[in-house]
This record gives sequence, C-alpha cells and structure tokens, in this order.
Amino acid sequence: DAGVIQSPRHEVTEMGQEVTLRCKPISGHDYLFWYRQTMMRGLELLIYFNNNVPIDDSGMPEDRFSAKMPNASFSTLKIQPSEPRDSAVYFCASSRGLAGVNEQFFGPGTRLTVL
Amino acid sequence: AQKVTQAQTEISVVEKEDVTLDCVYETRDTTYYLFWYKQPPSGELVFLIRRNSFDEQNEISGRYSWNFQKSTSSFNFTITASQVVDSAVYFCALGGSNYKLTFGKGTLLTVNP
Repeated sequence: DAGVIQSPRHEVTEMGQEVTLRCKPISGHDYLFWYRQTMMRGLELLIYFNNNVPIDDSGMPEDRFSAKMPNASFSTLKIQPSEPRDSAVYFCASSRGLAGVNEQFFGPGTRLTVL
Repeated sequence: AQKVTQAQTEISVVEKEDVTLDCVYETRDTTYYLFWYKQPPSGELVFLIRRNSFDEQNEISGRYSWNFQKSTSSFNFTITASQVVDSAVYFCALGGSNYKLTFGKGTLLTVNP
C-alpha cells in the first residue's frame, strides 16, 4: 500500500509568489493533517480535515494560508503571497479513525524556501 | 492544555551503548494516547509505537522498549545496543480529547561508530 504522497518535494520561490503544496493521503484514511516544521517552533499542526471537511484550522498562521480537500484522495495547502518566514518543511499526514487517538502516517514533506 | 516535554535536546552515544530518551506529558484527560515517532536524516516521520492510558505494560520490540509510568506521567523510550542507523530525531506525542497530537520538541540522537 502506498504511503502518503506529497509534491513537490522541494520548492524554491520568490517572496510574493503563490505556492501550492499537494498531498495524497493513504487510501481509506478519513483524517488528513497539515503540519509545518521549523527549527524555532518545531512541529506545528496547521489544519486537519475529517472526511474532506476542515475541522480545526486554528493553527493556520494567517489569511495568506488556505487549505482545501476537494475529495478523499487529494488536498492542497496554498500560500499567497509567500514570505521568507514561510520557509519550512511542510508535512501532510493521514490517519484512520479519531484524530489524536490513532497513529498518523506522514508523507516525506515539502521543503519550501522563500527567497 | 496538553503538553509534552522532551528535556534532552541532544544525546550522543557510542555504538552498542544503551540509551534512554525521556518524555514527560501533562494532560487532564483520563483517556489519552502516547506515541513515539522517528525522524531520520532523510526527513520523514516514522511511526514507532502507540500506547493508551489504560495500558501500562512495558512494550519491547527488538532493540526498542518503552516504559510507561502514569505515576510520573512519563513514557520513556530505550534503545538497547544502539546502532549508527538509530541516529535520528525522536519525537514523543500526546493525543486526547482535543483530537489532535501534541508533539514534544524532539531529541536528536547521534550514535557514533
């Protein structure tokens, strides 16, 4: 069974540009999570979905960030406009069953660099 | 509020040494779940173990073992006879009624040959 798939693996962009990160969760998983990892702040939960519906977006840093899950097999995290402080590794994860109860499986991450 | 503390920021050992990674948690939930993840240099997070608050039995998986003690709110992870491939950042995480995982800051383990 394929794991969580993320694309691109690396993204370098200039300040002000729009960035779109993509995620395909594990088939059959009903929860999807977006995390951001930086040296300063560690792993932060940005938003999570249950059955394609956003449940908690309290971790989204500001309006420049948005996430969608149009169907059970695809999600996007968009940053518009991007800023240098958005540089981080962004992880997508999925799980089956209640969030916080069952193990989450992580994708390889997207390393974003905003110049 | 949920909190996970991994007081050891970095640990360095020589191959074949045993090493214990500490994890202390705070929660008001009576039912909660504890996890350990490994993040090797390649970057992705790998799930290692999940424990629920009603199961205090220690777990052993090969060279890995976990000691869960509710009395001290700790869920420590021991690697026996460490190997270079064990070098990674290890994260402890807590889940509960807020339906999220709260991660610790991680412990960087370096195993030197």
